[in-house]
Amino acid sequence: KQEVTQIPAALSVPEGENLVLNCSFTDSAIYNLQWFRQDPGKGLTSLLLIQSSQREQTSGRLNASLDKSSGRSTLYIAASQPGDSATYLCAGSRTGANNLFFGTGTRLTVIP
Amino acid sequence: DAGVIQSPRHEVTEMGQEVTLRCKPISGHNSLFWYRQTMMRGLELLIYFNNNVPIDDSGMPEDRFSAKMPNASFSTLKIQPSEPRDSAVYFCASAQGAAYEQYFGPGTRLTVT
Repeated sequence: KQEVTQIPAALSVPEGENLVLNCSFTDSAIYNLQWFRQDPGKGLTSLLLIQSSQREQTSGRLNASLDKSSGRSTLYIAASQPGDSATYLCAGSRTGANNLFFGTGTRLTVIP
Repeated sequence: DAGVIQSPRHEVTEMGQEVTLRCKPISGHNSLFWYRQTMMRGLELLIYFNNNVPIDDSGMPEDRFSAKMPNASFSTLKIQPSEPRDSAVYFCASAQGAAYEQYFGPGTRLTVT
């Protein structure tokens, strides 16, 4: 079974700081990778999708990359804002399968 | 589009009762997923459908759980009989296809006493 580890489990940074969240998979045969944010008591909001032929995706202040050879992904958040405070989850699917395997998340707090 | 719609948003029931959770996927999406989130186990896939057909139900915990998708715009997840350990948040998600971005509903918080 695919195991997904996210480091750190929690992170607190001052507003304006750039930060990196990490995600690693025990099985590097990742087909698609998706990053989500989850606000307390809410559902998941999709942030970025890296499809099988891609290595990187960018949306505004967010940049996600995927190294398939090592089974690692990073989410870079530039110029963090208090509104970025949430739990960030990475999830990957294997080739030929639709189901996503989720990490345990990184709880981010951006201090004003 | 209104996004993925789930009902009810909260459900409190007693052990042994039947519980039915409902989901309406985004129009035009042909893949639908049911997930469960708990503090102990995080997010886990229960079952997913492609074109209304169940493809993988290996995540369904036991025979007390069942899911149906009678048409492209509606799915149900049923628990009968419910047990306290079923308490969790149940999410429904949909996607345009197998390799596409998944969009999640707001979830149903189930509490079984």
